[in-house]
Amino acid sequence: GAGVSQSPSNKVTEKGKDVELRCDPISGHTALYWYRQSLGQGLEFLIYFQGNSAPDKSGLPSDRFSAERTGGSVSTLTIQRTQQEDSAVYLCASSRQGPGYTFGSGTRLTVV
Amino acid sequence: QQQVKQSPQSLIVQKGGISIINCAYENTAFDYFPWYQQFPGKGPALLIAIRPDVSEKKEGRFTISFNKSAKQFSLHIMDSQPGDSATYFCAASNSGGSNYKLTFGKGTLLTVNP
Repeated sequence: GAGVSQSPSNKVTEKGKDVELRCDPISGHTALYWYRQSLGQGLEFLIYFQGNSAPDKSGLPSDRFSAERTGGSVSTLTIQRTQQEDSAVYLCASSRQGPGYTFGSGTRLTVV
Repeated sequence: QQQVKQSPQSLIVQKGGISIINCAYENTAFDYFPWYQQFPGKGPALLIAIRPDVSEKKEGRFTISFNKSAKQFSLHIMDSQPGDSATYFCAASNSGGSNYKLTFGKGTLLTVNP
């Protein structure tokens, strides 16, 4: 596609439920990043995928968070047993190589 | 520990004026410093970036000034326009290998009055 596509654009979930957020990177982009943007915390790195290499999971805030990238393309971020503090905008970005990312418009997650 | 400090939090400028946003970093291993522009409901978009081997980079109305010894860098927007009203984020990365994970500042909300 022309840009990074994220779905859903908005998600409201009840506390304790699991959620899955999807990212479709730009075709041909081998690097994929997930960030979280919340009020007061700004943008925080979550996880990085590059090709078939082991992902950098150093930014995941707890073991309730996980992500996978299938076939080097689509990525899914899963949050288990959601908590109110998980409410944020989850942003995905991709790049072909080098540091110039393209971000998607994000998924706004609200935990009630 | 906040590794990239950004100021001011908000800025109001008249049309045609100069907008200046400042950032300071702590990690001397950082070697890539981008600025991102974000409009409401959209993801951040790369505006301009600099590496520490140069002190200034200009692209159109946007200029980054970089002071390696002070560990500071700033964004200057010349002839600011109402369409520049957005949130601006500075960031920094240590580009060891291919992982360009970014550490962001907390953002500056810029309002340009007509």
